[in-house]
Amino acid sequence: QSALTQPASVSGSPGQSITISCTGTSSDIGGYNYVSWYQQHPGKVPRLMIYEVTNRPSGVSNRFSGSKSGNTASLTISGLQAEDEADYYCSSYTRSTTRVFGGGTKLTVL
Amino acid sequence: EEQLLESGGGLVQPGGSLRLSCAASGFSFKSYVMGWVRQAPGKGLEYVSHIDTGGSTYYAESVKGRLTISRDNSMNTLSLQMNSLRAEDTAIYYCAKLQYFAFHVWGQGTMVTVSS
Repeated sequence: QSALTQPASVSGSPGQSITISCTGTSSDIGGYNYVSWYQQHPGKVPRLMIYEVTNRPSGVSNRFSGSKSGNTASLTISGLQAEDEADYYCSSYTRSTTRVFGGGTKLTVL
Repeated sequence: EEQLLESGGGLVQPGGSLRLSCAASGFSFKSYVMGWVRQAPGKGLEYVSHIDTGGSTYYAESVKGRLTISRDNSMNTLSLQMNSLRAEDTAIYYCAKLQYFAFHVWGQGTMVTVSS
């Protein structure tokens, strides 16, 4: 199972919106609505931000939203804040019932 | 509060073995799928394995045949038996609770270093 493809880095200014893409195949992202997104600050434990493509766990800001089209999922962060600077990972359920992660995207808040 | 606490990490020689444990509290352990995710130093997250509530097990191709996941519902404990370890297995190993096909709750992680 190959890793999902994410851009290595994205950046934005405070208050702006950014979108991180995550591209897979019909055997993972395209075949199921089971995409999740994780935020990880340096030296910290990953935190679930989005599950089942669009759902936010309790406690996650509504500035975070998810979507999917075909084999590509996206995470959008609106009203960018300094605390959003972190690494972001996508993940998907796969045809073999395992999971696969993306390579990660480093978000820089300018 | 839902908590996961890993233990058992350490330094091991190539070809050696190690057993990781994860103690769960604050939720009905037997009712949830549980899994392991690892992160090599300076690298991204990598799915390792998961076990469902019926005891069926699933593995990444990179660890199949070498790592074995198990659970003890009476002790609320998840385990990962790691054999034939390689340098590329060096990573922080996170225990996680799965819900709605995502990793909802994470432990603090335990470091495994494979080196001579």
